[in-house]
Amino acid sequence: AQSVTQLDSHVSVSEGTPVLLRCNYSSSYSPSLFWYVQHPNKGLQLLLKYTSAATLVKGINGFEAEFKKSETSFHLTKPSAHMSDAAEYFCVVTPYGNKLVFGAGTILRVKS
Amino acid sequence: DVKVTQSSRYLVKRTGEKVFLECVQDMDHENMFWYRQDPGLGLRLIYFSYDVKMKEKGDIPEGYSVSREKKERFSLILESASTNQTSMYLCASKGRDLTGELFFGEGSRLTVL
Repeated sequence: AQSVTQLDSHVSVSEGTPVLLRCNYSSSYSPSLFWYVQHPNKGLQLLLKYTSAATLVKGINGFEAEFKKSETSFHLTKPSAHMSDAAEYFCVVTPYGNKLVFGAGTILRVKS
Repeated sequence: DVKVTQSSRYLVKRTGEKVFLECVQDMDHENMFWYRQDPGLGLRLIYFSYDVKMKEKGDIPEGYSVSREKKERFSLILESASTNQTSMYLCASKGRDLTGELFFGEGSRLTVL
């Protein structure tokens, strides 16, 4: 069965410090992996996606993620947090077809 | 600017009422989805549609039905609303590319009293 585990339900960082949001997946197939962000009272927006090309993927707003097959991980990072990064982040795996599996989400808090 | 529009942002209904949630996309996408979002559970797929009049059950279809009479419109129906259906409902659409981006609406927050 396909699954996604976001290892932290809440992460709190200070503005200007690095962000790390952790995601582990399990998939019987070669998956596609995504990170989506949801700001309060908004729909989800794509941050970045991995589809078996380069293992280091760059996304919008300075975020990037590295696909590590040996660790079945797809952690999201950003060198320097900004107040506008405060939101909920979802790791998503698409093992096949239109079936997407969402993680439970990580709420990122950015302190000034 | 591409758009997925959910016409009702906030609804309050009574137990037993029939509820319609409407979703319209302007991107000519084949695939449309209805998700339910609850804290700590992420998004769970209720139903999706890959073409007009075609639908498939997702992970939690019980208590819900859907309708897709036109390509741009995908409706979620709660035949008899119950309090455990109080939730945020998100509609999304996607093109043919299996690895393509999902485009989401802003959500419909339903409260069933």
